[in-house]
Amino acid sequence: EAQVTQNPRYLITVTGKKLTVTCSQNMNHEYMSWYRQDPGLGLRQIYYSMNVEVTDKGDVPEGYKVSRKEKRNFPLILESPSPNQTSLYFCASSLGVTKNIQYFGAGTRLSVL
Amino acid sequence: EDQVTQSPEALRLQEGESSSLNCSYTVSGLRGLFWYRQDPGKGPEFLFTLYSAGEEKEKERLKATLTKKESFLHITAPKPEDSATYLCAVQNSGYALNFGKGTSLLVTP
Repeated sequence: EAQVTQNPRYLITVTGKKLTVTCSQNMNHEYMSWYRQDPGLGLRQIYYSMNVEVTDKGDVPEGYKVSRKEKRNFPLILESPSPNQTSLYFCASSLGVTKNIQYFGAGTRLSVL
Repeated sequence: EDQVTQSPEALRLQEGESSSLNCSYTVSGLRGLFWYRQDPGKGPEFLFTLYSAGEEKEKERLKATLTKKESFLHITAPKPEDSATYLCAVQNSGYALNFGKGTSLLVTP
């Protein structure tokens, strides 16, 4: 089954404790992206990757890091999480950027205390 | 700067009561306009892509249309299972999708 898998689905952590949210897709998609979704603000893009070793900032990249060492994986790293990073995070992938139909994971709900 | 505005923010319909959701946009070089459906606690699910003014797409009770300034998602004779948040997004000549804040639709029996 074609899917985008995020882990963990739920995470509660404390300020400053480094964490990684993993994202994996099995569709051989070139393009992958991370979003955060907050009430009243909608979906905002954090980082995206057009292919292996190619990443770029989205609209709200501060406080986040990403890497794309393999085509299927695109982890999101929070080096020193802060409470304002409490949010619902989605990973998405698409075949390419020309017709950017993105397929989303189920989401990771993160709480930073 | 690209902008996507969806209206209304929330809509309540009786089962069978047809209506339309609006997505107004300003974008430099539209590459595509996308409609997604999002159920509570889940990721957005792709519905339609529209690429040029005048284009229309249909799927079951949903029909999406596109002009140079806006897109409509028409819902004909909705059922309770159509209740969800509907998201509109535009892609400009770059690579990112810019999402609107969504319309929350509730269809009551």
